[in-house]
Amino acid sequence: GAVVSQHPSWVICKSGTSVKIECRSLDFQATTMFWYRQFPKQSLMLMATSNEGSKATYEQGVEKDKFLINHASLTLSTLTVTSAHPEDSSFYICSATPPSGSVSRVTQYFGPGTRLLVL
Amino acid sequence: KQEVTQIPAALSVPEGENLVLNCSFTDSAIYNLQWFRQDPGKGLTSLLLIQSSQREQTSGRLNASLDKSSGRSTLYIAASQPGDSATYLCAVPLLLNQAGTALIFGKGTTLSVSS
Repeated sequence: GAVVSQHPSWVICKSGTSVKIECRSLDFQATTMFWYRQFPKQSLMLMATSNEGSKATYEQGVEKDKFLINHASLTLSTLTVTSAHPEDSSFYICSATPPSGSVSRVTQYFGPGTRLLVL
Repeated sequence: KQEVTQIPAALSVPEGENLVLNCSFTDSAIYNLQWFRQDPGKGLTSLLLIQSSQREQTSGRLNASLDKSSGRSTLYIAASQPGDSATYLCAVPLLLNQAGTALIFGKGTTLSVSS
């Protein structure tokens, strides 16, 4: 089946630093990728939609200047948390949608997630 | 605005029991509905996807049903095992009647099966 990877799986950083998280679709091209955030004991909340070759679309309440998204190729989207603060500590998960017509069992494939802890 | 609700929030059962997890959504014009499993600190594993035209899907000991008109779905787990312990999430597409969009998730039901 289709595979989506994320790197790193774990990151601990000091407050004020920037952290980059990569999301890769390993065996299919993804024109659209999604970034979600999950706080402890909460559900996944969509942060933004990453579109290859164009600007990302952010959900209400998500600061686009703080969470920079770059979808430079059909297999890679990056999320950069700029000037991270302790309240940004969360579990970040990406997903990717295969091209139309190639979807079999699922509509999108999820990465394994990245746990960010800001001290 | 679509909202997804799951009850109960947590469930503890002894091994071998059959159980039902519930999911409700406010707007019935969904393209499909999906059930996921999430282990602590891990990503998502897709369990079952039900298209809007379907009423149920089965995979092994799992059976998911969908009643669009009432805005409900259930996930039935037969003969539960300790390995079934996880959080189960229900999700529908963000954009109504479209596939390949982002998903709206419920808060999940955390299941604990004791041996």
